[in-house]
Amino acid sequence: QSVLTQPASVSGSPGQSITISCTGTRNDIGFYSHVSWYQQRPGKAPRLLIYDVFNRALGVSNRFSASKSGVTAFLTLSGLQVEDEADYFCASYSGGGNILFGGGTKVTVL
Amino acid sequence: EVQLVQSGAEVKEAGESLTISCKASGYKFTSYLIGWVRQMPGKGLEWMGTIYPGDSSTRYSPSFQGQVTFSADKSINTVYLQWTSLKASDTAIYYCARPTNEYGDYENWGQGTLVNVSS
Repeated sequence: QSVLTQPASVSGSPGQSITISCTGTRNDIGFYSHVSWYQQRPGKAPRLLIYDVFNRALGVSNRFSASKSGVTAFLTLSGLQVEDEADYFCASYSGGGNILFGGGTKVTVL
Repeated sequence: EVQLVQSGAEVKEAGESLTISCKASGYKFTSYLIGWVRQMPGKGLEWMGTIYPGDSSTRYSPSFQGQVTFSADKSINTVYLQWTSLKASDTAIYYCARPTNEYGDYENWGQGTLVNVSS
């Protein structure tokens, strides 16, 4: 199955805002409102940040926000901090109990 | 507190069989799906499928159907991921994770099990 398409890397300076895109198709992101976002720091398990397109998971900073338009979902990190350096993955339900992940985006804080 | 504790790292040779485990605690084991996710070295996450411990029903990603087997033991709150004949390309970290519902949203993750297969 195809993965969702994310940019390989995004960077920004401390305090800035960055946005990561995640592009799917009409059969996944475009059809279902079950898009989630994960943060993965080196050597660690992924951590759920966002579920159902824009809902923050428990304990997640309100500097993280998300949305969806058509077949593309977006994750915005506001007030970028050094601790935000990590890999970020999107995921979408694609029907029949199946889940697709994005290829991942490496966020660098300059 | 929900916890998923996975078995330790494995070093195997191609052609060998392997079973890794994921022990759950802190919630009603039979009421939630558990999923498996692969992460090959330096690569992204790949959803492998899910098992529902309540009745051991399974769903596999087309990419992993026939390549692995999920099972569960309700008596010890543990799910398993099994290979009958490993390949070098199975080298990866494997995570178990508990979604909040059937649509994904993996809220709780195990620490991962590194499987290293030499050819």
